[in-house]
Formats: sequence, structure tokens, C-alpha cells
Amino acid sequence: AQRVTQPEKLLSVFKGAPVELKCNYSYSGSPELFWYVQYSRQRLQLLLRHISRESIKGFTADLNKGETSFHLKKPFAQEEDSAMYYCALSARNTGNQFYFGTGTSLTVIP
Amino acid sequence: GAGVSQSPRYKVAKRGQDVALRCDPISGHVSLFWYQQALGQGPEFLTYFQNEAQLDKSGLPSDRFFAERPEGSVSTLKIQRTQQEDSAVYLCASSFGRGQGFEAFFGQGTRLTVV
Repeated sequence: AQRVTQPEKLLSVFKGAPVELKCNYSYSGSPELFWYVQYSRQRLQLLLRHISRESIKGFTADLNKGETSFHLKKPFAQEEDSAMYYCALSARNTGNQFYFGTGTSLTVIP
Repeated sequence: GAGVSQSPRYKVAKRGQDVALRCDPISGHVSLFWYQQALGQGPEFLTYFQNEAQLDKSGLPSDRFFAERPEGSVSTLKIQRTQQEDSAVYLCASSFGRGQGFEAFFGQGTRLTVV
């Protein structure tokens, strides 16, 4: 069965410090992995996806199939990064729905 | 509008009451998803439409939950005889493509509180 695990519910870092939000998944096929972000009082929105291999707002995430991980990283956290972050998996053999982790609430301390 | 629109934003229902939640997806989006998000949890899949066809309803928690998208655009999620455990935020998302990996655009959600 597909599962996405985000082990940290809460994460606090100081402004300018590096940040890493952990995500592990279980899926036997070839998943598509995503990070979604929800800023205060805003809707859930896509931050980045692994197939794009892009950096958005300074964030990057590398899919590690050996470790089944898709950790989100940023070298220097900014106050505006404070938000709820959800890792998600899309699986072809289950109708392309997204499976979400329980989310990590990131607080960047000024 | 440019984004996915959901209405109402908030709904308070008495236990046993029926409710209907509406989703207006982005125009032209083929795929439409409904998710349920309980407090402190990530969104949980309920059902998926491709145009008007409901291809997956495996996430609907009981036969009190029913969703439709009769013309392949607007969708309605109906909950009959609401129970307290139905209290959650109900999210609708749409995406352009049929395949895996298309970005899903989310609505603001409807917060349902059953009292």
C-alpha cells in the first residue's frame, strides 16, 4: 500500500539557518513525489515536484529511491517560509490520486 | 475565476442533517478530486472524477457519502445523516491532465462542523 510519512509535526529553525523537512514513502512502483505548502489562511499549493528538478523559493528536494525519501531542503530559512508543508505521492496504478503525509509545521524564528 | 472555488466556506450542521458541498474546478480541468482533512492530519483521498466519470470512490468512508459531477465540470459532495466524525475540512482539487503527475490545484476548502 502507498504511504507517506513525515516524522516531524513541528519544526522550528532560526532565520538564516538551514532547514530540512523529512519525507519517506512506501510504494512498489514508480511514484511521482510532490511538496505542497499551505501558508496561513491560504489554500494548499504546489511547491515543487521531483520530475521538474527545479528550485522554488530556494527549496530543493531530491528523490532518493534507495532510501525511499524525498526530503525538502533550503540552505537559509526565511521568515516567510513559515507554513505547513505536506509531502505527497501520486501513484499511476491507483487513479492518480495524491497520498499526503500528515504535514510538518515549519516556524522560522526571526 | 482563476482558481478552484468551493462553497460554502463554512457549514455547521446538526447531527443527522444532510449537507451538500460544491466545487467549481478550473475551467477545462479534466480531473477532479475530493479530500477530507481532519484536524492535525493531512488530506485523505475520498473520490476522483475524470470528466463526468467517477473512476475511484474507494476513499468514501461510508454509503452516507456521495459525489457527482454530472456535466464534467461542477461537482457536489453530499453527506447524508451527518455524524460528528464527519467534522473536517473538505478539499476539492482539479488538474488539467488525466495522467500521473499533473499538478493539482486546490480550493480553499469547506469546513464542516457537525454539532
